Amino acid sequence: QVKLVESGGGLVKAGGSLRLSCAASGFTFSDYYMSWIRQAPGKGLEWVSYISSKNNYTYYADSVKGRFTISRDNAKNSLYLQMNSLRAEDTAVYYCAREAGIRVAWFDPWGQGTLVTVSS
Amino acid sequence: QSVLTQPPSASGTPGQTVTISCSGSSSNVGSNIVNWYQQFPGTAPKVLIYSNNQRPSGVPDRISGSKSGTSASLAISGLQSEDEADYYCAGWDDSLNGPVFGGGTKLTVL
Repeated sequence: QVKLVESGGGLVKAGGSLRLSCAASGFTFSDYYMSWIRQAPGKGLEWVSYISSKNNYTYYADSVKGRFTISRDNAKNSLYLQMNSLRAEDTAVYYCAREAGIRVAWFDPWGQGTLVTVSS
Repeated sequence: QSVLTQPPSASGTPGQTVTISCSGSSSNVGSNIVNWYQQFPGTAPKVLIYSNNQRPSGVPDRISGSKSGTSASLAISGLQSEDEADYYCAGWDDSLNGPVFGGGTKLTVL
């Protein structure tokens, strides 16, 4: 079945870096746009970044632009999020999600999420 | 402050119909499809309605979505205790060139 599994979360000090990974299975990964979406504790959903199916287009929310880098390796069916210069406000559960369409905010499925905690 | 506006809470008794609204603007809801997500505590969101009013397989027909102008709605009829969850609307925003979410609505079944 279609499955996404995130890893790489953990506790990091403000100013530090972390790299999240998302392993995809059960579908042709290279056919789909992918996104990272986060949820701060007790808060709502916030889209972070997306990447086109063939790696040639990326886009970021203003809150992470210049600090986060999304990438993918279609040969390894994997999505990544390199997070640098982390801030306390980046503390959240980070989900990877497959975009069922293009430019339609239709995410299906989502991974189980990985928790990133930034200590100040 | 979320780009799409939802009521923070909604409630109903078993069997009732509850409607959750999602208000946006011409750059998002007014010109693009709306999708709804359901999230239970400690779990990942799951798509409940896509393309304004389409249900994925497995979602019961007592759950429906609609859109008119710059507003969208999610309706749950025959309310059940298992519907108690958080609900989020989402859509593409042409001005921001990215997806936007509502702040979420916590549904309580009394």
